[in-house]
Amino acid sequence: DPKIIQKPKYLVAVTGSEKILICEQYLGHNAMYWYRQSAKKPLEFMFSYSYQKLMDNQTASSRFQPQSSKKNHLDLQITALKPDDSATYFCASSHRGRAEQFFGPGTRLTVL
Amino acid sequence: AQSVTQPDARVTVSEGASLQLRCKYSYFGTPYLFWYVQYPRQGLQLLLKYYPGDPVVQGVNGFEAEFSKSNSSFHLRKASVHWSDWAVYFCAVRIMQQGTGSKLSFGKGAKLTVSP
Repeated sequence: DPKIIQKPKYLVAVTGSEKILICEQYLGHNAMYWYRQSAKKPLEFMFSYSYQKLMDNQTASSRFQPQSSKKNHLDLQITALKPDDSATYFCASSHRGRAEQFFGPGTRLTVL
Repeated sequence: AQSVTQPDARVTVSEGASLQLRCKYSYFGTPYLFWYVQYPRQGLQLLLKYYPGDPVVQGVNGFEAEFSKSNSSFHLRKASVHWSDWAVYFCAVRIMQQGTGSKLSFGKGAKLTVSP
């Protein structure tokens, strides 16, 4: 069974719309993260959460908002979508205090 | 800046041949280093991890990596490559941030092609 679930696997959106990317982990971890991978840039860190609190935000835009409704959930809301937001978004998790992170399968977002 | 660099974007090896993928790091202090593998249309899988200690670490599927402080390197090796190793390999370093946890900083990746 997959330990980190990301939904949906593929997502197509129109410019200006809003989407929510879902992430759930069943590894018992207390830290969760979002990363982005695009053709133009390598894997880049976006957010980190620990015990449902935002620890670090390295996205330049407020259009990206993480949401943690449960300790094993970290969703990503993206508003006013732009074509440049097209990328694969990966959720990851770890035990706080451990360095290694485990990644989900990703959500591939295409903005038209 | 604390980061890793993978100098070889594309590597082709024959099946059964040995493999080395290079990774150089820049880090203040002792780094925690990782190799991840990404198979086509999949997420990242942890291949192996280096925590300060034994410089040679073993991973899954016959992969190993060697940490060198003098060379600031963490190269990945495999003695005999299999066609199923065809993937993109990422080196990463953990960046600690004061009071705000940590993140992974990734290299640009090395795309491995295995020829028959």
